[in-house]
Amino acid sequence: DGGITQSPKYLFRKEGQNVTLSCEQNLNHDAMYWYRQDPGQGLRLIYYSQIVNDFQKGDIAEGYSVSREKKESFPLTVTSAQKNPTAFYLCASNDGTSYNEQFFGPGTRLTVL
Amino acid sequence: EDQVTQSPEALRLQEGESSSLNCSYTVSGLRGLFWYRQDPGKGPEFLFTLYSAGEEKEKERLKATLTKKESFLHITAPKPEDSATYLCAAGSYNTDKLIFGTGTRLQVFP
Repeated sequence: DGGITQSPKYLFRKEGQNVTLSCEQNLNHDAMYWYRQDPGQGLRLIYYSQIVNDFQKGDIAEGYSVSREKKESFPLTVTSAQKNPTAFYLCASNDGTSYNEQFFGPGTRLTVL
Repeated sequence: EDQVTQSPEALRLQEGESSSLNCSYTVSGLRGLFWYRQDPGKGPEFLFTLYSAGEEKEKERLKATLTKKESFLHITAPKPEDSATYLCAAGSYNTDKLIFGTGTRLQVFP
């Protein structure tokens, strides 16, 4: 079955540590996105990539980094510079336009201890 | 500035009590209006895409409609399993990003 997978489902981090969230898709989509979801707020875009080896900052990129070395994979690193990283992180993909829907993975809940 | 606003924030319904959720949008040239369902602790599940005013789409007890300023998600005779947060998002010609609303949390009681 085609879809998007994210791992791990739950992640705990100590302050000062970098952590990497995995996102893989087998939908043959060109574009991939990372969102952050906090209670009472809409989805906020962190980074997106419309093609391999290229990515753009979203609305809240500070303290995060990404890479896009393969079409299928778009990992997100939450660095120690992110001041409030505890949140639910969602990865999505689509054909790269705002004309067609994005499909989401199951999410990773990150908690900073 | 492109913006999407959903109302109400929360809605409690009795099973079988029909109602509507609202999504108002302000975007520079709408490319698509998207509805999603999100269960607690899970990723959003795609429901509908609407492209032009007057368009309607249906799926089981849900019907989505679109005007030039807003979209409605009508829920007919809801069941407890319809309880979820419903998100809407708009795509505009200004950007390849989607603008999301904050969602409506729906609870349906037996």
